[in-house]
Amino acid sequence: GEDVEQSLFLSVREGDSSVINCTYTDSSSTYLYWYKQEPGAGLQLLTYIFSNMDMKQDQRLTVLLNKKDKHLSLRIADTQTGDSAIYFCAEIDNTDKLIFGTGTRLQVFP
Amino acid sequence: DGGITQSPKYLFRKEGQNVTLSCEQNLNHDAMYWYRQDPGQGLRLIYYSQIVNDFQKGDIAEGYSVSREKKESFPLTVTSAQKNPTAFYLCASNLRPSSGANVLTFGAGSRLTVL
Repeated sequence: GEDVEQSLFLSVREGDSSVINCTYTDSSSTYLYWYKQEPGAGLQLLTYIFSNMDMKQDQRLTVLLNKKDKHLSLRIADTQTGDSAIYFCAEIDNTDKLIFGTGTRLQVFP
Repeated sequence: DGGITQSPKYLFRKEGQNVTLSCEQNLNHDAMYWYRQDPGQGLRLIYYSQIVNDFQKGDIAEGYSVSREKKESFPLTVTSAQKNPTAFYLCASNLRPSSGANVLTFGAGSRLTVL
């Protein structure tokens, strides 16, 4: 079945860039997503990328997609303490349901 | 403002009791979903419903039940048969069929603790 994998933790200094990585298995996924979850809250969509794109940029966020390697990354420029959260990668399966990764907990320290 | 409302935010239950978590949306979305979140395991799909009066099991449906009598509402019952019910439960919804990115909107979640 489909599987989405992420590393569990990432720690960065405030002002540095953060790069969160994700690998997925379903090569037919038409869209791939990044969601953010703050403590005790639901998930909020950060951004998504269509599978025929290699890159998408939205202010401080840059998404890179390598379809050959089934690798997705999210780069956050100038990381702030407010960016501390759990970040989930997700792919869409052939029944139009989202499959989520385990989430990466980003900790930003001063 | 349109959105998804989950209640209660926190719930405590004794072993052997059934509990029902509420999920209401005013987004006019067709499909609704229940996920369970455990530390380090991401989100796992419990049940989903694409239309009123119809629902399907997700990956971990055992010990749970749902109903979809109204478009706006998709309550989840955690039964006494669920062996490890302590978790954070998330409800989500989206338009179906999706045209484009199929973005899910999430509620704020309900944390269930079994004592």
